Amino acid sequence: NAGVTQTPKFRVLKTGQSMTLLCAQDMNHEYMYWYRQDPGMGLRLIHYSVGEGTTAKGEVPDGYNVSRLKKQNFLLGLESAAPSQTSVYFCASSYSRGYQPQHFGDGTRLSIL
Amino acid sequence: RKEVEQDPGPFNVPEGATVAFNCTYSNSASQSFFWYRQDCRKEPKLLMSVYSSGNEDGRFTAQLNRASQYISLLIRDSKLSDSATYLCVVNKNQAGTALIFGKGTTLSVSS
Repeated sequence: NAGVTQTPKFRVLKTGQSMTLLCAQDMNHEYMYWYRQDPGMGLRLIHYSVGEGTTAKGEVPDGYNVSRLKKQNFLLGLESAAPSQTSVYFCASSYSRGYQPQHFGDGTRLSIL
Repeated sequence: RKEVEQDPGPFNVPEGATVAFNCTYSNSASQSFFWYRQDCRKEPKLLMSVYSSGNEDGRFTAQLNRASQYISLLIRDSKLSDSATYLCVVNKNQAGTALIFGKGTTLSVSS
């Protein structure tokens, strides 16, 4: 029972490089989310999706793009990485938007040099 | 008022102690409330939902006060394994697209 799986677990990038973080869930959840967590800032929502083929901006979307081509997958892309994007990234999924708890993946630790 | 506000702590307590955390939220239309637990450098995990009448799960008791817009978590007979950061989580509003996470309260239980 995998739940929410994130890949990769760790990554180091140079400024200007691009990469994609993958999130996969096997719980048949409609809603998926990408957060970043920085010291003293708590979890901040980057983008979210309310279903296959849909995406929307969250609190801190700049510098990121997302895609949800399949219901079980939610991809987060960094087109041109910046040091300010050094963070821990968490993916989450849920049955409903605001009434059911979210289930989290174990995170991706990303460093931008 | 911030959307979800928690005392960051840390709360340092001995094993066996009872400790309580409070959380305030700003949106009176919020309908769903949760407590999550986050261990150092790990993902947040659901500890318990919070219901209007209050609810208990073993050593953990959650209370909701809608009039004052605060939520509490009581931990009885603290264990070393309870050491973690506890996140208060509230949905934004009835049509909210996501949950709002507090920054967390850190608990350290010592022997």
